[in-house]
Amino acid sequence: GENVEQHPSTLSVQEGDSAVIKCTYSDSASNYFPWYKQELGKRPQLIIDIRSNVGEKKDQRIAVTLNKTAKHFSLHITETQPEDSAVYFCAGPLGDDKIIFGKGTRLHILP
Amino acid sequence: KAGVTQTPRYLIKTRGQQVTLSCSPISGHRSVSWYQQTPGQGLQFLFEYFSETQRNKGNFPGRFSGRQFSNSRSEMNVSTLELGDSALYLCASSLEVPGPSTDTQYFGPGTRLTVL
Repeated sequence: GENVEQHPSTLSVQEGDSAVIKCTYSDSASNYFPWYKQELGKRPQLIIDIRSNVGEKKDQRIAVTLNKTAKHFSLHITETQPEDSAVYFCAGPLGDDKIIFGKGTRLHILP
Repeated sequence: KAGVTQTPRYLIKTRGQQVTLSCSPISGHRSVSWYQQTPGQGLQFLFEYFSETQRNKGNFPGRFSGRQFSNSRSEMNVSTLELGDSALYLCASSLEVPGPSTDTQYFGPGTRLTVL
């Protein structure tokens, strides 16, 4: 059925280290994969997205990789900083134009 | 350009009552989606409207309904409120229908509904 699974649910990394969050999806028709960041008490905001015609996209310290064969895409944050602490959501649009969000990953950046 | 706005920001109701939430999309955006966000379930899709028509619906009971007006503003209504309806309700707008070749969704600040 329709499903987007996100792992891990919680992630703690030392400031300056890298963080990786992974999502898997089931709908092979998906070809747009956004990532949202939600800080405490604020709305989700798009931080990066990727379309299926590319395998990787990078924006400064943030990158997203897509493996269409394995049906998973990952968010990579390098040189993490305290302001990266937030909940991150992946999303997978489906063939019937619905969007299914992952359950979210709470990222803690440790000093 | 103004962002997505939602009113009210906070709402307290009691069981059995009904509630109407409002969302004004970014100017020029025609698609409005509604989501329920709870700590345990994350962001769950309620429904999506495009050009005054409901295009998609999530797995929520019929107590949850919505509509969209000609100016793309949208309302959602929850009737016969239950304690479990307490959540943050977010709307998001995009130029076209969110989908496989979609445009980015922009979220509003949300309406926090508490049902007592």
